[in-house]
Amino acid sequence: LAKTTQPISMDSYEGQEVNITCSHNNIATNDYITWYQQFPSQGPRFIIQGYKTKVTNEVASLFIPADRKSSTLSLPRVSLSDTAVYYCLVGDISSASKIIFGSGTRLSIRP
Amino acid sequence: NAGVTQTPKFRILKIGQSMTLQCAQDMNHNYMYWYRQDPGMGLKLIYYSVGAGITDKGEVPNGYNVSRSTTEDFPLRLELAAPSQTSVYFCASMGGGSGLNTEAFFGQGTRLTVV
Repeated sequence: LAKTTQPISMDSYEGQEVNITCSHNNIATNDYITWYQQFPSQGPRFIIQGYKTKVTNEVASLFIPADRKSSTLSLPRVSLSDTAVYYCLVGDISSASKIIFGSGTRLSIRP
Repeated sequence: NAGVTQTPKFRILKIGQSMTLQCAQDMNHNYMYWYRQDPGMGLKLIYYSVGAGITDKGEVPNGYNVSRSTTEDFPLRLELAAPSQTSVYFCASMGGGSGLNTEAFFGQGTRLTVV
């Protein structure tokens, strides 16, 4: 399982774009990159998943460079409700045995 | 669909007592997981299962046991509860397979206090 490194915390303001970067230097060929969001007192919720280049959905974008050793979750025009912990996970979803969470990034959005 | 259902939502145990945390999913998912989350920390994998009759240890299995007799249910058993097991427990399920958007679905959690 590839180890991931993300900032412990980040602060931003409403209406700003927030980018959270995750490093995964030992990513394997079959590994995908998945991001989850967790609000206080709730279970994590899937946000986005990708293998390479760029993936976009209604919530976020995920940018993955060609070497795949890092990835960036981009949240456009954040609001107070985006305050949460964001987890970056790397693993082979086709075998999908263990799902291991790191410490995550605690994002705080201010008015 | 109910998704992943955990019961109970809250429980207080005395040291040395035992209990079973229930987890059920109605999505016909092969993979199921149990995590614990201590205050201010990330999730730690306790046990997981890749299908009925198959279970394996995660990162922190000591003090816990699981079984998977059906696809739908994945109970977590605590024997001889200790204060160190005070935590929030999350159950999750995932369908598995190849392709994008293979996501795990989580229950709402069980908040356990051991006193």
